[in-house]
Formats: sequence, structure tokens, C-alpha cells
Amino acid sequence: QLQLQESGPGLVKPSETLSLTCTVSSGSISSSNSYWGWIRQPPGKGLEWIGSIYYSGSTYYNPSLKSRVTISVDTSKNQFSLKLSSVTAADTAVYYCARHLPQWPFDYWGQGTLVTVSS
Amino acid sequence: DIQMTQSPSTLSASVGDRVTITCRASQSINSWLAWYQQKPGKAPKLLIYRASSLESGVPSRFSGSGSGTDFTLTISSLQPDDSATYYCQQYNSLYTFGQGTKLEIK
Repeated sequence: QLQLQESGPGLVKPSETLSLTCTVSSGSISSSNSYWGWIRQPPGKGLEWIGSIYYSGSTYYNPSLKSRVTISVDTSKNQFSLKLSSVTAADTAVYYCARHLPQWPFDYWGQGTLVTVSS
Repeated sequence: DIQMTQSPSTLSASVGDRVTITCRASQSINSWLAWYQQKPGKAPKLLIYRASSLESGVPSRFSGSGSGTDFTLTISSLQPDDSATYYCQQYNSLYTFGQGTKLEIK
């Protein structure tokens, strides 16, 4: 059973860059056809897809966040990462990593990690 | 961008009831629609994909229907464990979620 686990700072200051890593276990991040994505959920609110990456490094992002988002992959560590720049309080959310196949929903999810943006 | 609108936002029903949640897309998404169940403090769980296909391990009381712009999630006989928030998601063009429907058991 594929497992995903988010890690990173739980508190980020306004205007700084949020950085999170997702570690994939019980499976290879280089698995054929697997894409790896980030989704976030502000407290008490709905879900927002941030972006996705293929093990080759090919990425696609939510247009509303594209200017601030970078997703990268490290196949040697079986990890992929999220960087979100110039954060504000509106970026406070639980951040999830997840797996999906091409043009397919998210079938494996991490447990999520809360990131609070505050000085 | 494709917008997804769910209704109702909240729903209260009794054990054994038949429950229906609707989801409307701002443009046709063919059958590229999924439904998720999320319980407090947990990650969403995939229930249905391609509008009507049941994910492995999901109870058969859950079903989905629709195509184009209008979709429904139906729970045929509500169980206490079904108390959760339900989200639709389109994956025809990138990914967009509905705002969620909170289902409470009376």
C-alpha cells in the first residue's frame, strides 16, 4: 500500500517561502504513469489543488497560484517538494500531498500538515 | 477555469434515509468527475471516479451518476459512519473541487 508523508515547518512568517516535502514509501516515485500533487485546505474551508509533478520533472500548476509555486522531485530520495513564495495569512492551511494517474483523481493521500503563516 | 458548485452546503438526514448531493460544472467535463469523503482531521478519501465507478473497498450504498455538467452522489441507505463532508472534483481540465457538502446524521 503506497504511503505518503508530508514534512516541513509548521510556522512561516509573512512574505517568506513555505517549503514542504512529501516522502513516498511502499512504492517508487518513478512508477510508470504516477503523478504527484499538492492540495491545500484552509481551516474550515474547501480543497484547492496547487500543482502536480511527474518523476521526469514535468509540472503543471493551478493558474491562480502559478506565479508563486515551484514543485520539484528528487527520485533518489523518493520525495517531491513544494515551495510557495511570498506567503500571507491566506496561505494558512493544511497541506496534503497525493498521488494521481494522468487525468485521474487523487487515490493516495498523505495525512496532511498544518502550516500557519504568522509573524 | 472550470468552476464546480455543490448543493446543498449542509444536509441533515436520518439513518436509513436515501441522500442525494448534486454537483454542477460551469462547462462540460464529460464524465471526468470524482467524489471524495472527508472526515474531521483526516485526508479526503476517494469514493467514486469517472462519475459512476466505485473505488475499490467503498460500500455499494454509494453511487454516482451524471455526465456533461450535472452530477449526483447518492447514498442509498444512510449509515452513522457516513457523517462527513463530501466533495466533488473535476479532472477534465486541471483539477477543481466543489465547495463541499457537510452531511450530518439526525
